[in-house]
Amino acid sequence: SYELTQSTSVSVSPGQTASITCSGDKLGKKYASWYQQKPGQSPVLVIYQDTKRPSGIPERFSGSNSGNTATLTISGTQAMDEADYYCQAWDGTTRYVFGSGTKVTVL
Amino acid sequence: EVQLVESGGGLVKPGGSLRLSCAASGFTLNTYSMNWVRQAPGKGLEWVSSISSSSSYIYSADSLKGRFTISRDNTKNSLFLQMNSLRVEDTAVYYCAREGIAVAANLHCFDYWGQGTLVTVSS
Repeated sequence: SYELTQSTSVSVSPGQTASITCSGDKLGKKYASWYQQKPGQSPVLVIYQDTKRPSGIPERFSGSNSGNTATLTISGTQAMDEADYYCQAWDGTTRYVFGSGTKVTVL
Repeated sequence: EVQLVESGGGLVKPGGSLRLSCAASGFTLNTYSMNWVRQAPGKGLEWVSSISSSSSYIYSADSLKGRFTISRDNTKNSLFLQMNSLRVEDTAVYYCAREGIAVAANLHCFDYWGQGTLVTVSS
């Protein structure tokens, strides 16, 4: 079965750039999406089709996807960006897959 | 405003059954594929099942081994998840999620989520 791998945690200082990676076999040939989840809340879509931002998502969130790795970048990270982030892809046939999640801490 | 409201969660004994519902509003349900995604306490997101707009295509996670069945009633703007032979490891918050589309093409992402309903399987 298809798997997506994320690092467990990322720490970033306010105003700096946070990069969160997601790895999977030939992930660059699939579309990657990213979700933000704050404690006690439902997930929120922040990036879809590798690079697109839904309406209402700040421009500081951006995405890329190439080879085996998709990356979510948060530029000028703010305290409100502290959350868990999950990547997600469709395996190309019948199933959706989520990564294990990355906890972003803003120090 | 798009709204997804789950209900039907609760405490059930191992081996028991439960039926979850998701009431959709603010959009035309019969245009969208819908999904269930779950999250065990303190754990990550796990996709459970997907159903196409007209129920023609249904997919489920292999790990469920056929115990869960997704269905929908577009006339009642509702999505369902019938869960049978429940196990302790099925304890989780279950979310209803809409699949995004653009120009009638599936974006293979989940653009709206409900608030979730907690299912606890315990003796």
